[in-house]
Amino acid sequence: NAGVTQTPKFRILKIGQSMTLQCTQDMNHNYMYWYRQDPGMGLKLIYYSVGAGITDKGEVPNGYNVSRSTTEDFPLRLELAAPSQTSVYFCASSYPRVQGINEKLFFGSGTQLSVL
Amino acid sequence: EDQVTQSPEALRLQEGESSSLNCSYTVSGLRGLFWYRQDPGKGPEFLFTLYSAGEEKEKERLKATLTKKESFLHITAPKPEDSATYLCAVGGSTLGRLYFGRGTQLTVWP
Repeated sequence: NAGVTQTPKFRILKIGQSMTLQCTQDMNHNYMYWYRQDPGMGLKLIYYSVGAGITDKGEVPNGYNVSRSTTEDFPLRLELAAPSQTSVYFCASSYPRVQGINEKLFFGSGTQLSVL
Repeated sequence: EDQVTQSPEALRLQEGESSSLNCSYTVSGLRGLFWYRQDPGKGPEFLFTLYSAGEEKEKERLKATLTKKESFLHITAPKPEDSATYLCAVGGSTLGRLYFGRGTQLTVWP
């Protein structure tokens, strides 16, 4: 009963390095999301996807890229890491059962990223 | 612009001391208000969804209510294991985009 799985759990990057945060879900959810959470702040939406091949920007997309080639996977790519990207990243998924209604999100356990 | 404000930022309660957390929101076309619990080092865990003003939901010592402009999370006779950060989120007419508040950090001491 895995749910939403994120890897890695922790990572330290040097300024200018790149990396991909992995996210996979086994619930056959069509909606997937990436959020970042800074201390004392709410979760901010980076990118989301309503299905394979479809992605859209959230509130804070700059410095990130995503792709959605399968229903299960939604990786987040950081290019040219900057200290401002130090944060905890959460992947989530949902399955809207009723048209026009937001459905609850299932979250992964997070990736703590430090850019030094 | 859509906005979610939670208060208080932090709340300390003695075990058994009931209280309420507030979530006020401004969103065009509410399509769901969500409450989550987050423990340190973990992802948010779903508690409740409310869709219409007047709606209420309960789970153990927690009860969530919704009006046209705010939601309350009532905690009755809390226990130390209720200590966590409680997050509120709202979804508007753009499906898939939820806006989160900063959370209320609840500490319940014995």
